[in-house]
Amino acid sequence: AQKITQTQPGMFVQEKEAVTLDCTYDTSDQSYGLFWYKQPSSGEMIFLIYQGSYDEQNATEGRYSLNFQKARKSANLVISASQLGDSAMYFCAMRDNTGGFKTIFGAGTRLFVKA
Amino acid sequence: KAGVTQTPRYLIKTRGQQVTLSCSPISGHRSVSWYQQTPGQGLQFLFEYFSETQRNKGNFPGRFSGRQFSNSRSEMNVSTLELGDSALYLCASRADNGGTNGYTFGSGTRLTVV
Repeated sequence: AQKITQTQPGMFVQEKEAVTLDCTYDTSDQSYGLFWYKQPSSGEMIFLIYQGSYDEQNATEGRYSLNFQKARKSANLVISASQLGDSAMYFCAMRDNTGGFKTIFGAGTRLFVKA
Repeated sequence: KAGVTQTPRYLIKTRGQQVTLSCSPISGHRSVSWYQQTPGQGLQFLFEYFSETQRNKGNFPGRFSGRQFSNSRSEMNVSTLELGDSALYLCASRADNGGTNGYTFGSGTRLTVV
């Protein structure tokens, strides 16, 4: 069965510093997609970044990058130059690309950015 | 373009009642998924629909059901409500089966069962 694990319930980072949010996953599928979403206190989920299982290069989107280590089944999110507005819940998610495109989510990490 | 619209935003129901939640995806999006979000369980997958067909169903009791219409709008229904059904119900849409696009989520329906 597929599973996503986020082991950090909460993280603190100083403004302007970089932070890494951990995500490990488990799947027997060869084709899958990995996603990160942000959920601010307003509640709406925001898609941040995507990494396909066959992508050889790590995905980047502005200040977000995904450190993809396939052999270790990890897909950590790196946020560079943290801003106060980055304070939010962050969810790692995995989509099955073969069976039915179901997406499951990890428990989330709450990030606090300190001024 | 308009985002994913969920109605109503807030709902208070009594145990034993039933409820129907509505989701209008982004125009052109054919895939709609529903999630239940609670502080204790996080985001739990309920269903996924594509072109009116339910392709996946999560591990929820039969009281939870859904459907998708030809215009891609989706509804989910919960019958015989229980206190534990109190949650934020999120609808998410996507244009296609796979690809690099993540979901676009609605703002959710906050259901409180008393």
